[in-house]
Amino acid sequence: RKEVEQDPGPFNVPEGATVAFNCTYSNSASQSFFWYRQDCRKEPKLLMSVYSSGNEDGRFTAQLNRASQYISLLIRDSKLSDSATYLCVVSNTGGFKTIFGAGTRLFVKA
Amino acid sequence: NAGVTQTPKFQVLKTGQSMTLQCAQDMNHEYMSWYRQDPGMGLRLIHYSVGAGITDQGEVPNGYNVSRSTTEDFPLRLLSAAPSQTSVYFCASRTGPDEKLFFGSGTQLSVL
Repeated sequence: RKEVEQDPGPFNVPEGATVAFNCTYSNSASQSFFWYRQDCRKEPKLLMSVYSSGNEDGRFTAQLNRASQYISLLIRDSKLSDSATYLCVVSNTGGFKTIFGAGTRLFVKA
Repeated sequence: NAGVTQTPKFQVLKTGQSMTLQCAQDMNHEYMSWYRQDPGMGLRLIHYSVGAGITDQGEVPNGYNVSRSTTEDFPLRLLSAAPSQTSVYFCASRTGPDEKLFFGSGTQLSVL
């Protein structure tokens, strides 16, 4: 079983739609959680960190459920520019061993 | 401020050849790591380092060696390249465990 698992998609949504991605992790000792965005095999870039209390950044909301070991990302009012691959990322072993999920591909259509 | 610099951007090797992928950062980050990315597999951690002289294995370390003699540099060595090592390689660094990763622009490696 992979340490971090995501639905690979692709998700095809129209502009303005709300879309949600889920991610599960297997190591209960995991300490830090993130969502990264990757465009066309370019380097990944941090979208947002994920905190236990949940956090929001504009149209993006991240949630963490430690009991069920899953992380979610909600994107509201999707834009064409949101088309990308979204990577769920988990750090354990004191935060130094950072593991990426395989990514969820999102296509936003006009 | 260059950030994380990877070289080369592209490389073609023959099976059995050796080579070193270079990674340098100028942000004084203690933590550095190497990932490979294959279609459908996401990024997989090869090796990481938490400071000069300290390295550890990630998820897929076989066939790769690393060393960390300085804070700035973290080279990845392929001792005897195999077609299974054809991939895109990313180097990354950060200040601490809860901080964001800064990535290099990647190296596309093909082993024939």
